Amino acid sequence: AQKITQTQPGMFVQEKEAVTLDCTYDTSDQSYGLFWYKQPSSGEMIFLIYQGSYDEQNATEGRYSLNFQKARKSANLVISASQLGDSAMYFCAMREASSGGGADGLTFGKGTHLIIQP
Amino acid sequence: NAGVMQNPRHLVRRRGQEARLRCSPMKGHSHVYWYRQLPEEGLKFMVYLQKENIIDESGMPKERFSAEFPKEGPSILRIQQVVRGDSAAYFCASSLLSGGRSPLHFGNGTRLTVT
Repeated sequence: AQKITQTQPGMFVQEKEAVTLDCTYDTSDQSYGLFWYKQPSSGEMIFLIYQGSYDEQNATEGRYSLNFQKARKSANLVISASQLGDSAMYFCAMREASSGGGADGLTFGKGTHLIIQP
Repeated sequence: NAGVMQNPRHLVRRRGQEARLRCSPMKGHSHVYWYRQLPEEGLKFMVYLQKENIIDESGMPKERFSAEFPKEGPSILRIQQVVRGDSAAYFCASSLLSGGRSPLHFGNGTRLTVT
């Protein structure tokens, strides 16, 4: 089973609109972290935002916020007032606390290709 | 305050040659991870290392691939006798802590092309 599911392969959004990128996850751990990364066409991976499983409030970082619904196992990324420079691939990832080195790294979804139109 | 440094940025190798990819983690980070990204896909875990130790290599192909993180110097991902299927972007990441809240910080990647 997929650990991280991103159901939107691509999205087109008008500039200045808000965007929600979907992410659902699957884990039996009680302690885990959820991350979003941005990958522009230049290829680097840029860390955007983090949400811990025990965090009571939704994480926010500038125009980015994370809509965390633990019971639904979803961690959607919300970008407010989108800009042309937001066009990129966006990856949701999970880090589980269970033992095992690979599990100590990140498991990534397949990504959403976001295109902001003027 | 340098981030994760990877070199080379682009690497072209003929089939059968060796590829060496280097990664210097962020200052103070002792946890290093290597990931591979195929076109139009997310990143796939390969190996997790700490200084002089391989912690988990469950994502590494059993043959031709090896990784090290020596006491001094960068982490190296080595691919022997490359084949066309090895063509991909290889990302290195480092982390201050293991598990928990500590994000992985990625380098800019090495794009390997096997001709």
